[in-house]
Amino acid sequence: AQSVSQHNHHVILSEAASLELGCNYSYGGTVNLFWYVQYPGQHLQLLLKYFSGDPLVKGIKGFEAEFIKSKFSFNLRKPSVQWSDTAEYFCAVNGRGANNLFFGTGTRLTVIP
Amino acid sequence: DGGITQSPKYLFRKEGQNVTLSCEQNLNHDAMYWYRQDPGQGLRLIYYSQIVNDFQKGDIAEGYSVSREKKESFPLTVTSAQKNPTAFYLCASSIVWDRDAYGYTFGSGTRLTVV
Repeated sequence: AQSVSQHNHHVILSEAASLELGCNYSYGGTVNLFWYVQYPGQHLQLLLKYFSGDPLVKGIKGFEAEFIKSKFSFNLRKPSVQWSDTAEYFCAVNGRGANNLFFGTGTRLTVIP
Repeated sequence: DGGITQSPKYLFRKEGQNVTLSCEQNLNHDAMYWYRQDPGQGLRLIYYSQIVNDFQKGDIAEGYSVSREKKESFPLTVTSAQKNPTAFYLCASSIVWDRDAYGYTFGSGTRLTVV
């Protein structure tokens, strides 16, 4: 069965600190991987996605994620966070050829000015 | 502007009543989805539809029903059989066959409270 684990439930950082949010998935096949962000009071938005090719993908707002197949991981990173990055972040996965996404439980990021 | 419209934003229901949540999209997306978002549990898939007049159960379909009579619309009915209906409900849509453009577009959600 497919599953996505986000082990950090709430992360608190000061501005300019570096960020890494963990995401591990379980799926018996080729996968597509996604990170979504939900800013307070706003829609869920796509940050970045990985389908194939370079395992290091870059998204919007300076975020990047690295797909490590051997570790079934797709961790999200940002070198220097800003107060405006305060949001909830969701990792998601679907099987190649499938359309429905499986989401992790989310990580709430609070950035302190 | 293209997007997904969910209505109403807030909904209150008495126990034992059915209630229908609206989801409309003008993106010409083939697939539509309903998720339920609870604190600490992320998003869980209720139902999805890849084509008109066809839909599939997700992980937590019990107590819910859907219809897909038009490509633009995918209403969700929360029935009285749903044991814990108070939650935030999100509708999403996506292109089915265009991999490069793939990604969900989400609506702004409906918060349902059973009183």
